[in-house]
Amino acid sequence: GAGVSQSPSNKVTEKGKDVELRCDPISGHTALYWYRQSLGQGLEFLIYFQGNSAPDKSGLPSDRFSAERTGGSVSTLTIQRTQQEDSAVYLCASSLATAGGFQETQYFGPGTRLLVL
Amino acid sequence: AQSVTQPDIHITVSEGASLELRCNYSYGATPYLFWYVQSPGQGLQLLLKYFSGDTLVQGIKGFEAEFKRSQSSFNLRKPSVHWSDAAEYFCAVGNSGGSNYKLTFGKGTLLTVNP
Repeated sequence: GAGVSQSPSNKVTEKGKDVELRCDPISGHTALYWYRQSLGQGLEFLIYFQGNSAPDKSGLPSDRFSAERTGGSVSTLTIQRTQQEDSAVYLCASSLATAGGFQETQYFGPGTRLLVL
Repeated sequence: AQSVTQPDIHITVSEGASLELRCNYSYGATPYLFWYVQSPGQGLQLLLKYFSGDTLVQGIKGFEAEFKRSQSSFNLRKPSVHWSDAAEYFCAVGNSGGSNYKLTFGKGTLLTVNP
C-alpha cells in the first residue's frame, strides 16, 4: 500500500519568507510525527499528533514553527520568517497509534529538503 | 535525558565482509531500541527493534542486533555485506518510562561498501 508521502520534495526559499511543508500519513494511522534532520545533527523530534491534537510540541525550536493536522490525516508544518539555520530535511512519520507505545512502528516519509538562502 | 551515541561517523567495508555498527545509549530504565536505515533520497526504514526478551534480535535484509545491558549497547551486525547495504544507519532509543512515542536518534553512521 501507499506509504507516507511528503511535499514538496525540495524547497528553496529566501530568508524571511514563510514556507509550508505537507505530510500525508499512511491511511488509518492516527499518530503523526515531525522530525528535523540537520547536517551533522541527526534527527530531532519536533512535534507529535494523536488525531488532530498535538499533546507534545516540546521539540519545536521557536515560535516561528507551527504545525496542524486536519481530519486526522494530512499535516502541515509551517515555518514563518525562515532563517538560514532552518535549512534541513524535514521528515514526517506515522504510526497506527501510541496506545501500544513503541510496539507501533513509525513509518517515515522521504522528507522535504528545505534550503533557505 | 536519554541519549544515543554512534561512535563511528563513517565506516568503509568491502563487499562480502562482516559489519558491526556500534550504538551506545544512556537511559535509566529498560529502553526500547531501534535501528533504521536511510538510503540516499529515501525516508528511514526500520531494520529491527528490541523491547524485551531475547537479547539477540533478527531484522530485515539479514541484519541482527544484540542488546547488552551491562555495556548499554545495541550493536548492529551483518555477516556478509552487499553493495546495496551502502546507506546511513541510525540507532534510536524510545523512552519506556515517559512519552511512549518520542524517539531519540544517534547522529548516524554512513556505510560505504567497496566492490
